[in-house]
Amino acid sequence: EVQLVESGGGLVQPGRSLRLSCAASGFTFDDFVMHWVRQAPGKGLEWVSGISWNSGSTGYADSVKGRFTISRDNAKNSLYLQMNSLRAEDTALYYCAKDRGRSISSGQDYWGQGTLVTVSS
Amino acid sequence: AIRMTQSPSSLSASTGDRVTITCRASQGISSYLAWYQQKPGKAPKLLIYAASTLQSGVPSRFSGSGSGTDFTLTISCLQSEDFATYYCQQYYSYPYSFGQGTKLEIK
Repeated sequence: EVQLVESGGGLVQPGRSLRLSCAASGFTFDDFVMHWVRQAPGKGLEWVSGISWNSGSTGYADSVKGRFTISRDNAKNSLYLQMNSLRAEDTALYYCAKDRGRSISSGQDYWGQGTLVTVSS
Repeated sequence: AIRMTQSPSSLSASTGDRVTITCRASQGISSYLAWYQQKPGKAPKLLIYAASTLQSGVPSRFSGSGSGTDFTLTISCLQSEDFATYYCQQYYSYPYSFGQGTKLEIK
C-alpha cells in the first residue's frame, strides 16, 4: 500500500524558515517524480514544486521561486521542502504527492494527508 | 506561466444528471492535462490523466476529452458520491498549474 506521510509543519513567524518532510513507503520511491502541492484555508490547489527521480530536474511556482528548495533522499525514501523567508501568504496545508511518471510528469496518483504551515507573528 | 481557467466555478445538479466542466489553458499544452476530485477535508484524487485516460479504479461514468487549449470533464450519470470540487491541472511545463476549481453541488 502506498503511503505518504508529511511532517514538519507548524506555526512560524514571518521571515523564518521551516523544513517539511515526506516519508514514502509502499512503492519504489526512486522510480517516480515527486511534488509538493499546497492549499490555503478555503482556497484551491496550488502546485508548489516538483523533482524528478534523480533530482536532475526541479521546478517551482513563481510564488516560491528563490525561497523554497525541493530535495529528495532516495536512500531514505524521503522528500523535503526547505522553506525560507516565509510569508503570511504561505499559510496552507502542504501535500506531498507521488507522480505517475519517472522523469516527466503524468499526473499525481497518490497524496499524503498534508501538514499545516501557519505563518503568523 | 500557463494559466488554467475552469468554468463554471460552481454547478448545481441532480443525481442522474450529465454534467460537463471545461478547462482552458492560456497556451497549448497538447494532452498534458489531469483532472482531480477533492472532497472536504480529504486529499485530491486523480481521475484522468493525459486528458482522456481514466485512472485505474475510477468509474467509467467519468470521461475527459480535448487537446491543445480546450478540455472537458464529463460525468455521465451523477451519483451522490460525485458531489465534490474538481480541478484541472496542466503538466506540460514547469511551473505546473491548477484551475481554480469547480464546486459541484446538489440541486
